[in-house]
Amino acid sequence: GESVGLHLPTLSVQEGDNSIINCAYSNSASDYFIWYKQESGKGPQFIIDIRSNMDKRQGQRVTVLLNKTVKHLSLQIAATQPGDSAVYFCADSREGSNYKLTFGKGTLLTVNP
Amino acid sequence: GAVVSQHPSWVICKSGTSVKIECRSLDFQATTMFWYRQFPKQSLMLMATSNEGSKATYEQGVEKDKFLINHASLTLSTLTVTSAHPEDSSFYICSARDRPYAGELFFGEGSRLTVL
Repeated sequence: GESVGLHLPTLSVQEGDNSIINCAYSNSASDYFIWYKQESGKGPQFIIDIRSNMDKRQGQRVTVLLNKTVKHLSLQIAATQPGDSAVYFCADSREGSNYKLTFGKGTLLTVNP
Repeated sequence: GAVVSQHPSWVICKSGTSVKIECRSLDFQATTMFWYRQFPKQSLMLMATSNEGSKATYEQGVEKDKFLINHASLTLSTLTVTSAHPEDSSFYICSARDRPYAGELFFGEGSRLTVL
């Protein structure tokens, strides 16, 4: 069936290191991918998105990579800070579905000072 | 960015009562809003798509009579949990889009429901 999943449920890094969070998706028809950050007790916060006609997109300290061949998505956070500690979700959608989002399971990122 | 507001942010109710959660787009008109449910340490699960002026579209396995959705205006959608039971305790999150079939999805801060 259709699913968006994550390879690692938890990730612990040292402050200042780079973080990489991975995500696998199964639906080859997905054409839009988003990464969200969710802090405890709050709603998801948009981080960065990428469309299927791209393989890389950069934001402020974040980079999303898309490998359509293996259906893999990753989020790279440069110089990770304690404020980056949160659960990160990938989500996918398809134009034909009114861009309904299907969320992955989430990765808990813990940044150690 | 656009702001989506949910109210209440948390609510405690007795089993058997009904609870209404509001989702408002504060600075834009939202023709489509989505309602999600999230259990502790789990992902967001889409419950239904709310379209202004029409009936909501529910995901498979979501009881439409249990979770009533009303999208009466372009800035307000409500989710009513009817005859709530302890298993309905969850974090309910809404999101809204500022353009039909496209555009960024903005999320509310969520509403935590605890049913005693």
